[in-house]
Amino acid sequence: NAGVTQTPKFRILKIGQSMTLQCTQDMNHNYMYWYRQDPGMGLKLIYYSVGAGITDKGEVPNGYNVSRSTTEDFPLRLELAAPSQTSVYFCASSYGQGASNQPQHFGDGTRLSIL
Amino acid sequence: DAKTTQPPSMDCAEGRAANLPCNHSTISGNEYVYWYRQIHSQGPQYIIHGLKNNETNEMASLIITEDRKSSTLILPHATLRDTAVYYCIVRVAGTSGSRLTFGEGTQLTVNP
Repeated sequence: NAGVTQTPKFRILKIGQSMTLQCTQDMNHNYMYWYRQDPGMGLKLIYYSVGAGITDKGEVPNGYNVSRSTTEDFPLRLELAAPSQTSVYFCASSYGQGASNQPQHFGDGTRLSIL
Repeated sequence: DAKTTQPPSMDCAEGRAANLPCNHSTISGNEYVYWYRQIHSQGPQYIIHGLKNNETNEMASLIITEDRKSSTLILPHATLRDTAVYYCIVRVAGTSGSRLTFGEGTQLTVNP
């Protein structure tokens, strides 16, 4: 069972570079999420999507962009990498409809260092 | 989302049951209790959730008190691979766009 797959697992960027973190899920979930987790801290929501073509900001969206052209894929783009974006990034997905209580399922993360 | 309180750490012997408590005294009637865990360097893993009835799946059991102000996650036969940080989260159903708020959690260490 693939579940939520994130690539790459590790990446080092220089300040000012850009990159795209990939996330794909094979569970036909309509909701997808991007979180970041700084060392010793909890998860912070960056962006989320309730379906293809629909995205919305979370609590820390600055410096990031997302798109959702298909149900399966939810890439996260960093346009001008900054040291403050050094973190572990987790993608998650869930099935939601109406008053859904379905849990979120997470990928194994992308560890990103900006130097 | 209601605030939750968990002990910072617990130890358990391998093969024994691990009982992880969570207090959520301000829980509302439409809020579910979810449990996740995070093994070092991995993504959070969903374990179980419930509203007011006790729940059991292949991983664990969830016991929710009648007044819903506290709950206990039970790992019936803990193994070394169950060593992780366990998070109790209270959340309203249907809040599809809301983030999961992971508090401090409980560091469970399973000892051989």
